[in-house]
Amino acid sequence: AQSVTQPDIHITVSEGASLELRCNYSYGATPYLFWYVQSPGQGLQLLLKYFSGDTLVQGIKGFEAEFKRSQSSFNLRKPSVHWSDAAEYFCAGYSDNYGQNFVFGPGTRLSVLP
Amino acid sequence: GAVVSQHPSRVICKSGTSVKIECRSLDFQATTMFWYRQFPKQSLMLMATSNEGSKATYEQGVEKDKFLINHASLTLSTLTVTSAHPEDSSFYICSAATGGRTLHFGNGTRLTVT
Repeated sequence: AQSVTQPDIHITVSEGASLELRCNYSYGATPYLFWYVQSPGQGLQLLLKYFSGDTLVQGIKGFEAEFKRSQSSFNLRKPSVHWSDAAEYFCAGYSDNYGQNFVFGPGTRLSVLP
Repeated sequence: GAVVSQHPSRVICKSGTSVKIECRSLDFQATTMFWYRQFPKQSLMLMATSNEGSKATYEQGVEKDKFLINHASLTLSTLTVTSAHPEDSSFYICSAATGGRTLHFGNGTRLTVT
């Protein structure tokens, strides 16, 4: 069955440091891939998405992600983290081959030290 | 664009009463909307897929008689939690897809049943 995994439950970085959040997927074919961010008590906001083409995608708030087919990964990166980036981050996948179900990873909680 | 509005953001009700949550797509038409439930510090759990003009499709283990979904128009879906009990207390989030492949989320509803 299709799945999306995020190996890191919780990551802590210092403000100004670089960030990489990991995401791996398992699908029969390359899915559409997404990163969402959720602040406490809020819904999810789309950061970026990958459908096809350039494997390095740019998103909002200075985030980018790189699709690597050989590693079945879609890691999220940011060169310099701001305190306001502290939140929960979800990777998600979708494939036309599996109906309309989006599959979400378990999430990675990001804490930012001042 | 692609704004999803969810109301109310918070609701407290007594055990045995029913609560209705509204989900509206403000600037696009959504033939399909999705309802999720999120437990503290966990990922999203898909409850049901709401289809405009037809019956909702519920995920396994979700009681359709307890969680009534109505999708009467292309911009509105409602979730009614009937005869609510404390175990129904949770964070409920709706979403709608644009182009069939990108989910946009409401801000969620925090339901507390006393």
